[in-house]
Amino acid sequence: AQTVTQSQPEMSVQEAETVTLSCTYDTSESDYYLFWYKQPPSRQMILVIRQEAYKQQNATENRFSVNFQKAAKSFSLKISDSQLGDAAMYFCASTSGTYKYIFGTGTRLKVLA
Amino acid sequence: DAEITQSPRHKITETGRQVTLACHQTWNHNNMFWYRQDLGHGLRLIHYSYGVQDTNKGEVSDGYSVSRSNTEDLPLTLESAASSQTSVYFCASSTGQHPYEQYFGPGTRLTVT
Repeated sequence: AQTVTQSQPEMSVQEAETVTLSCTYDTSESDYYLFWYKQPPSRQMILVIRQEAYKQQNATENRFSVNFQKAAKSFSLKISDSQLGDAAMYFCASTSGTYKYIFGTGTRLKVLA
Repeated sequence: DAEITQSPRHKITETGRQVTLACHQTWNHNNMFWYRQDLGHGLRLIHYSYGVQDTNKGEVSDGYSVSRSNTEDLPLTLESAASSQTSVYFCASSTGQHPYEQYFGPGTRLTVT
């Protein structure tokens, strides 16, 4: 069965510093997509960044970037210049059978002023 | 603007009652999904639909049902609510095309007493 694992239930980072959230996955599919979603206290799920497995280049969106290691099945999220508004729950997800998602259990990020 | 809405946002019900949670999207997406979010489990897939009259069971479908009579709506019914179904429920939709991104509703917090 496909799985997505986030081994860090909670992380803390000082404002303006950099933090990396870990995610590993297991899939037998050759073509898949990976995502990081942010869930602030409002509960709204917000897409942060996506990565196509067939692309070797790591995705980047402003202060957010990923380290995609396909052979190791690792997909970590790096947040640079952390801001108070980055405090949230972060979920890693992998597509399953093209359309469905499998989610990890989430990492709660605290940003310290 | 296109959107995905859920109603009600909060609901308290009693054990044994039938409950229906509404999900409506104006994206004209073929794919719709229902998830439940519980602490320590992330988001788990309950049911999903790839089009009108199509419904499929997800990872945690026992005690839930859905029907898809049009493109815009996928209501989720709890046939006989149980305390174990106290959770936050999210509806999502996607086009089914690259990059397979899912758009999430704001969530419904359901409490079964």
